Amino acid sequence: DIVMTQSPDSLAVSLGERATINCKSSQSVLYSSNNKNYLGWYQQKPGQPPKLLIYWASTRQSGVPDRFSGSGSGTDFTLTISSLQAEDVAVYYCQQYYTTPYTFGQGTKLEIK
Amino acid sequence: QGQLVQSGAEVKKPGASVKVSCKTSGYTVTDYYINWVRQAPGQGLEWMGWINPNGGGTTYAQTFEGRVTMTRDTSISTAYMELSRLRPDDTAVYYCARDINGDDAFDMWGQGTMVTVSA
Repeated sequence: DIVMTQSPDSLAVSLGERATINCKSSQSVLYSSNNKNYLGWYQQKPGQPPKLLIYWASTRQSGVPDRFSGSGSGTDFTLTISSLQAEDVAVYYCQQYYTTPYTFGQGTKLEIK
Repeated sequence: QGQLVQSGAEVKKPGASVKVSCKTSGYTVTDYYINWVRQAPGQGLEWMGWINPNGGGTTYAQTFEGRVTMTRDTSISTAYMELSRLRPDDTAVYYCARDINGDDAFDMWGQGTMVTVSA
């Protein structure tokens, strides 16, 4: 199984500041035939299901604010929130959908400093 | 746009089975795979498997092989996940989530179904 490891486990950032969450996969999730990274980012608020933010590592889902961006390739990925808003307090998960079993990172809890 | 609406909370005894439903609407049910993901209290997300509504093919995580069965009834646009031989550590919120190819991100999720396993 591909192991997804996120860092840090928790993060406190001031309103308006940048938040950066990292995700590392135990093997590459880049499919060479189409040059796509099979990596997604989700946001989960308490009592709610996860919400897709980013897919193919860097494509923003429709309706997601442009302060959210994804980057990286192969085994190392980053989710960046350029200017933290109060409504961004949540747990964030990365997920590989390169091969089954699809696996998620352990989650990063983002709070306001 | 569509939505996924799941059945209500369940309380089961160890050794029993539970069947959770996921009713789809607002899109063509055969266009998207349905995945099942669970989340134990205070824990992360665990993928259980998927079903292709167009044909009924399934892929299960090895962790659940032999205990999980995913089915669908396209006539009522509903997918089902049945988990048998329940244990207390199966206590979790179970989510259905769709993806377009069986190898894509999950762009829509159900609201979740809490399953509690307790003697």
